[in-house]
Amino acid sequence: GQNIDQPTEMTATEGAIVQINCTYQTSGFNGLFWYQQHAGEAPTFLSYNVLDGLEEKGRFSSFLSRSKGYSYLLLKELQMKDSASYLCAVARLGGGYNKLIFGAGTRLAVHP
Amino acid sequence: DGGITQSPKYLFRKEGQNVTLSCEQNLNHDAMYWYRQDPGQGLRLIYYSQIVNDFQKGDIAEGYSVSREKKESFPLTVTSAQKNPTAFYLCASSAQTGDTDAFFGQGTRLTVV
Repeated sequence: GQNIDQPTEMTATEGAIVQINCTYQTSGFNGLFWYQQHAGEAPTFLSYNVLDGLEEKGRFSSFLSRSKGYSYLLLKELQMKDSASYLCAVARLGGGYNKLIFGAGTRLAVHP
Repeated sequence: DGGITQSPKYLFRKEGQNVTLSCEQNLNHDAMYWYRQDPGQGLRLIYYSQIVNDFQKGDIAEGYSVSREKKESFPLTVTSAQKNPTAFYLCASSAQTGDTDAFFGQGTRLTVV
């Protein structure tokens, strides 16, 4: 089976830095994704990691440690519009099929 | 413009009726997925398909059915056997290799009354 764990809620201040953690247990690991989802809308892609290390993309960075089953999403220079849910998703390859499994998401509230 | 389209955005149905949600993509993606999202929750996988005429059950397939007769289309039927069908349904597609991100439709909010 697979387990993906993220904190349920986080709060942060505008202009600050926040780190959202994700731990997972799965066989056939084939990459980890981070998505942003505003209420009532579809998720939008933020980042993809398949090898260990840090991927940086503007204000957002994502880190992966496959041996620890651990990832984090780092958001810098927080803006009010960053208030959203952040979903960690693991691609799992098994039996010739690739499944994309999501965690429950972390609701981030950014305050002035 | 390439993309993935779900319709309708809002859908109301009476209890006991089957209802079919549409999902169409013109991204030439092989893989398509259906997810269900309940308020304050993450996405749970209902069904997924890697190629035409083939699909697999996800984690919560009971009460749902799908078909994949064309590469572009992956409709989801919510049957009367689904005990709690009111939810936000999201369709996604991705390249088959799995090392690219999934593109999502705008979702269908189904309310059963």
